[in-house]
Amino acid sequence: QKEVEQDPGPLSVPEGAIVSLNCTYSNSAFQYFMWYRQYSRKGPELLMYTYSSGNKEDGRFTAQVDKSSKYISLFIRDSQPSDSATYLCATTIQGAQKLVFGQGTRLTINP
Amino acid sequence: DVKVTQSSRYLVKRTGEKVFLECVQDMDHENMFWYRQDPGLGLRLIYFSYDVKMKEKGDIPEGYSVSREKKERFSLILESASTNQTSMYLCASGSGLGGELFFGEGSRLTVL
Repeated sequence: QKEVEQDPGPLSVPEGAIVSLNCTYSNSAFQYFMWYRQYSRKGPELLMYTYSSGNKEDGRFTAQVDKSSKYISLFIRDSQPSDSATYLCATTIQGAQKLVFGQGTRLTINP
Repeated sequence: DVKVTQSSRYLVKRTGEKVFLECVQDMDHENMFWYRQDPGLGLRLIYFSYDVKMKEKGDIPEGYSVSREKKERFSLILESASTNQTSMYLCASGSGLGGELFFGEGSRLTVL
């Protein structure tokens, strides 16, 4: 069993839709949770960062962590074609920078 | 802007060749990482380094080695390239605890 599971998609939605991306993880020691966005032919870049459980909002993006169910979510409101990318969830334990990544979900927003 | 530069974006090599992938970061980060990215498998950690001349194996180190002679530079070496090492290789750096890593644009290696 992988430590972090993520549906690879692909996921295709119309512009303006609310997008929900999800990951599950198995290690209860994970404390830091991240979402990276990767455009085609580019390296990943950090999009959202949360510590422990709870929600974090940044503009149209909301990251949610539920440690009781070991579930990580990213919501995108009013999705735009420029949001088309691969989204990778990642996590790590306290005091470490060695990340464990999900497989990535390829998202396309259709105009 | 933080910059992680990978010297080669696209390489084509033959089986058995020695391959060097170079990575340089300009943010004085202590930590540097090499990942490979394959469809359906996500990013897998090959090697990482927390300090100069220090290295640790990641999840898939077989067939690879690394070198970190200077803080800003982290090299990935394929001693004898094989076709199953055809992949996208991503270098990353970070400054400390938690998860913010800065990635280069990747080096796409094809081994024939």
